[in-house]
Amino acid sequence: GQQVMQIPQYQHVQEGEDFTTYCNSSTTLSNIQWYKQRPGGHPVFLIQLVKSGEVKKQKRLTFQFGEAKKNSSLHITATQTTDVGTYFCAGDNYGQNFVFGPGTRLSVLP
Amino acid sequence: NAGVMQNPRHLVRRRGQEARLRCSPMKGHSHVYWYRQLPEEGLKFMVYLQKENIIDESGMPKERFSAEFPKEGPSILRIQQVVRGDSAAYFCASSQDRKNSPLHFGNGTRLTVT
Repeated sequence: GQQVMQIPQYQHVQEGEDFTTYCNSSTTLSNIQWYKQRPGGHPVFLIQLVKSGEVKKQKRLTFQFGEAKKNSSLHITATQTTDVGTYFCAGDNYGQNFVFGPGTRLSVLP
Repeated sequence: NAGVMQNPRHLVRRRGQEARLRCSPMKGHSHVYWYRQLPEEGLKFMVYLQKENIIDESGMPKERFSAEFPKEGPSILRIQQVVRGDSAAYFCASSQDRKNSPLHFGNGTRLTVT
């Protein structure tokens, strides 16, 4: 079945440093979504990418969808303590459900 | 517009009892997904339902687990004869339609089996 991997599993950064998490699917995706889950909270939708090579920005966050539509990345510029949480990608492989990656847990040291 | 409502927030059951988890999707949403999350782990897909129909239950254990989304009322995830390994957070999500729709998650039900 479809597998979605993310690296790194954990990332500790100093406030102000940049952060990137990578998402890779074993199959071609129709679209990919990114979610953020704060500690003790529930996943919250951030963005969806649909087109090959698509790049979207939300303030300090930049999302990219690979040309082959099998990988994606999320880059945060100048992290802040409010960025703390786990970032999940979720792949839609033209199938019936979204498969979530294992997540990247980000901690930001003030 | 109320978000996805899950109840209870916390549920404690003894081994062998039944657990019933409820999920009311956002208004206007007819697609419901259930995910399970162990502490500090990812979201594992369990089942996807549309009103009165199970669309995909490939993530559901074959025994003891069942889900429904009746025409009226919330979606129910039912776990019979719970075991300690069932302890986890169970999240429900809903979407407006299937194609290219973001998932809106509820706050989850944290099940503890003693």
